[in-house]
Amino acid sequence: DTGVSQDPRHKITKRGQNVTFRCDPISEHNRLYWYRQTLGQGPEFLTYFQNEAQLEKSRLLSDRFSAERPKGSFSTLEIQRTEQGDSAMYLCASSLTSSSYEQYFGPGTRLTVT
Amino acid sequence: RKEVEQDPGPFNVPEGATVAFNCTYSNSASQSFFWYRQDCRKEPKLLMSVYSSGNEDGRFTAQLNRASQYISLLIRDSKLSDSATYLCVVPNSNSGYALNFGKGTSLLVTP
Repeated sequence: DTGVSQDPRHKITKRGQNVTFRCDPISEHNRLYWYRQTLGQGPEFLTYFQNEAQLEKSRLLSDRFSAERPKGSFSTLEIQRTEQGDSAMYLCASSLTSSSYEQYFGPGTRLTVT
Repeated sequence: RKEVEQDPGPFNVPEGATVAFNCTYSNSASQSFFWYRQDCRKEPKLLMSVYSSGNEDGRFTAQLNRASQYISLLIRDSKLSDSATYLCVVPNSNSGYALNFGKGTSLLVTP
């Protein structure tokens, strides 16, 4: 399967702990996006990368959030000092530069902060 | 006004029915629009792109009304497998390539 993959699929953590999620995009896609989705809402944009460069961050991405894409392939999203409000589905998507709005999503990582 | 607004539904329709969803957007400069489908506890998947007045793909037709700033999705001859949430998507007006998603319209097709 050559689609977008995310790991882990589920994560339960206690408030105050740090968590890290990984995303592997479709191999030929050089744009990678992170979104967050809560129940009853559509996905909300967090950040995106063009190759290894992080080009844009939403104001939703507080200082506790950091994302990297060190070699322009996989990406990680880290949340430090998790809060209950961080509980959500974290979705990764990727696209070609030529069709950036046609984004392909991974299955997501469901985070529960207790 | 939110960038993308949709009626959340749910729309409950019998198999074979025709159903239409509307979506309004605030950025009059938007040039491209999308419908994504999201099954329960799954990721969103691109259903249709709309770059001009409309697009048709089998039983699905998307139409764009720029003057009124709304997009519609029409599903003909509904199937049980069409049951899902349909997300209206417009590129973020303040961003390069981020997408703004509506909250989604829930469709349930019943036997």
